[in-house]
Amino acid sequence: EPEVTQTPSHQVTQMGQEVILRCVPISNHLYFYWYRQILGQKVEFLVSFYNNEISEKSEIFDDQFSVERPDGSNFTLKIRSTKLEDSAMYFCASSTGGNEKLFFGSGTQLSVL
Amino acid sequence: EDQVTQSPEALRLQEGESSSLNCSYTVSGLRGLFWYRQDPGKGPEFLFTLYSAGEEKEKERLKATLTKKESFLHITAPKPEDSATYLCAVYNQGGKLIFGQGTELSVKP
Repeated sequence: EPEVTQTPSHQVTQMGQEVILRCVPISNHLYFYWYRQILGQKVEFLVSFYNNEISEKSEIFDDQFSVERPDGSNFTLKIRSTKLEDSAMYFCASSTGGNEKLFFGSGTQLSVL
Repeated sequence: EDQVTQSPEALRLQEGESSSLNCSYTVSGLRGLFWYRQDPGKGPEFLFTLYSAGEEKEKERLKATLTKKESFLHITAPKPEDSATYLCAVYNQGGKLIFGQGTELSVKP
């Protein structure tokens, strides 16, 4: 069964460093998303991406965040200068349509020290 | 403001003891209500989509129902392997999938 894959599964970084989280969405999906989940809290929307541009973003997704689809298969989330409060599990997701079910990856646990 | 509230926060059942989880939502223009299952350290796994009041979906021991203001996830004769966090989510008009905080279900043998 097709699945969304994310790498790395764990990332430890120092505050102020840049990190790139990587995702390979399901191949025939057109919509791509990043969500995050701080330990013990809700799954929160960060950004949606369609047709090579951001279609929606949350207030969390400020200038420190960016997304890119560098080729036909990868979808990345970059955090330019990490903060302690960026520590969370980051989930990539994809779907066939804008209001369709999302398929989630297993997540990248980001720890900012 | 668009909002999803789930109750209870945690539910402990004995194997075979049926129960229901609740999801109340406030959203302008419902475009779908989704139930997901999340195991520790994993991403949410899709269970059901419901689009209109009165709709019901079933899968094994799970049954999801929808009214104009809430959804229920009924669990019939649960087994220990049903232990997980169950998440409810709705699309708002902006196209964001908004999640509730989840119900952590524990089923003891």
